[in-house]
Order: sequence, then C-alpha cells, then structure tokens
Amino acid sequence: KNEVEQSPQNLTAQEGEFITINCSYSVGISALHWLQQHPGGGIVSLFMLSSGKKKHGRLIATINIQEKHSSLHITASHPRDSAVYICAVAGGGADGLTFGKGTHLIIQP
Amino acid sequence: NAGVTQTPKFQVLKTGQSMTLQCAQDMNHNSMYWYRQDPGMGLRLIYYSASEGTTDKGEVPNGYNVSRLNKREFSLRLESAAPSQTSVYFCASKQGVYQPQHFGDGTRLSIL
Repeated sequence: KNEVEQSPQNLTAQEGEFITINCSYSVGISALHWLQQHPGGGIVSLFMLSSGKKKHGRLIATINIQEKHSSLHITASHPRDSAVYICAVAGGGADGLTFGKGTHLIIQP
Repeated sequence: NAGVTQTPKFQVLKTGQSMTLQCAQDMNHNSMYWYRQDPGMGLRLIYYSASEGTTDKGEVPNGYNVSRLNKREFSLRLESAAPSQTSVYFCASKQGVYQPQHFGDGTRLSIL
C-alpha cells in the first residue's frame, strides 16, 4: 500500500507570498494528482502528472520520480487560493487513488 | 454539463437504518469510485467499478455494498448504519487509465 505524506499540514501566509506544498510517496506510481478542496467540500483536480513539470496560471506542479516527491507551488498567492490542497497517487489501471491528508492553506490579505 | 451528481447532499440516520447513496455521471466515463473523507485522514477508497458490470473492493469496504446499475450510475448502500460510518462520501468518475478523476460535491452522512 502506498503511503502518501504531505507537508506542511497547515500553512498561513500573506497575500503575494510564494507558496510551496510538498508530497512524498513510498511506492512507484503511474501518476500523481494535485487536488483542491474549498470550504463547502467540492474537490477539483488541478494537475495530473507522471514526470517533469506542469503550469496552469499561477500554479506549478513538479514531480521527481526517482525521489518519489512532488511539489505544488503557488506564485503571487491571493486570499482566494485559501483551500485544502490534496496530493493523491495512482497505481495504474482503474484502481482508485491513495490520498495524503491534505494541506490547509490560508492566505491573509 | 452536470458532471458527477450525488444525492442526497445531507442525511441523518439512526443506528441500524439502511440507505442508498446515489451517484450519476453524464460524461460517459468508464470508471466510477466511492470514497469517504474523515477528519484528520485522507480520502479512502470504499469500492470502485472499472467498467459497467464490474465492482471491486477498495481499502475500507466493510459495511458497504455497491451496484453499478448502468454506465452512468454507481450506488453505495449501507445495510445497517453504524456511527463509525458518519463521514462525507464522495463519488468520482474518470474516462480512462491516465485521466483525472471528476468528483461529485459529496454527501454528508451522520449516524446517531
């Protein structure tokens, strides 16, 4: 069973700061997902990646397969980025995801 | 485009009661999933259906049953609810192996 660890568990920052959330996993994967969950509960997929780096607006996700590690970066953070960010890994096939516990991010104005 | 629709959004049950959580997707996805989310823990997989006509157990299947009624619908049944099943339940679907999952808005279930 894959173990997915996220850090930090909680992060409070000021608007405009550069944010980094880390994720490590224990067993090789087919893909890693970054998800966002706002208060009220809806879960949205931000990135799915199996190598390298992806960028969408102010969000950047990287993965190092050899190190079994991924990072999610937010540039020029804004209060609307406040949410829980969840890392999840896929083993392959149609099997479900294995999730980290999430990072609760608060961006203060 | 509704995506993944879960009903009900909220439910309170008494211990021992039964109920079925409904999930439907309109994206013609092959695979569907049921997860539960508890405070301080990551989401955990209860059951999944790789394709119409198949279902498989996930990490925490005890106390639950599922039915893949057709390609669109995947229901989760609690036959005899227990307080330990108080949770937020999420349904998700995806088209293929290397595709992201799309999540419903969740069902908040409390069992007294």
